[in-house]
Amino acid sequence: NAGVTQTPKFQVLKTGQSMTLQCAQDMNHNSMYWYRQDPGMGLRLIYYSASEGTTDKGEVPNGYNVSRLNKREFSLRLESAAPSQTSVYFCASSDRGNEKLFFGSGTQLSVL
Amino acid sequence: AQSVTQPDIHITVSEGASLELRCNYSYGATPYLFWYVQSPGQGLQLLLKYFSGDTLVQGIKGFEAEFKRSQSSFNLRKPSVHWSDAAEYFCAVGDDGGFKTIFGAGTRLFVKA
Repeated sequence: NAGVTQTPKFQVLKTGQSMTLQCAQDMNHNSMYWYRQDPGMGLRLIYYSASEGTTDKGEVPNGYNVSRLNKREFSLRLESAAPSQTSVYFCASSDRGNEKLFFGSGTQLSVL
Repeated sequence: AQSVTQPDIHITVSEGASLELRCNYSYGATPYLFWYVQSPGQGLQLLLKYFSGDTLVQGIKGFEAEFKRSQSSFNLRKPSVHWSDAAEYFCAVGDDGGFKTIFGAGTRLFVKA
């Protein structure tokens, strides 16, 4: 049971570099999400996709873009990484809105 | 504004002792309330949720939580803690049929032998 798979697990970037975080789910869920987790702040929603073909901003979207490639895949792109984007990023999926979120194991990103 | 407050950054309990983790929320309408657990290096896993009905909800791993509207609280309890319960616990609130879940800052639980 793979569930939600995120790649890579770790990444170090220099300021100004770009990268894409990949996420795929095999549960046939309609909705997918990207969160970031910072110490003392819990998880904050970056972007979400309620269904295939739609994306919406969450609480902290600045500096990020997303693509819902198909029903399974939802990627997060940092066009020009900044040290403030150093964080742990989690992808999640759900079948019906926020009723129950299934999380991946996270990507630890450091921007130097 | 919607918000979730977990007053305790960390808590230490002895194995076999009871546990209560506090959570207070601010929400304009009837909230959906959740507790998630995160083991080290892992994503979050849903422990339990409250949408409506009985205000005492049962979850996995022997956890329960009680919704108290008058106190805007949704505290998590367990009668007897096991060493494997050591983790970080997040309270969260969301809206009916929505997609935005607001998480608290988390409470890290340490279990001593």
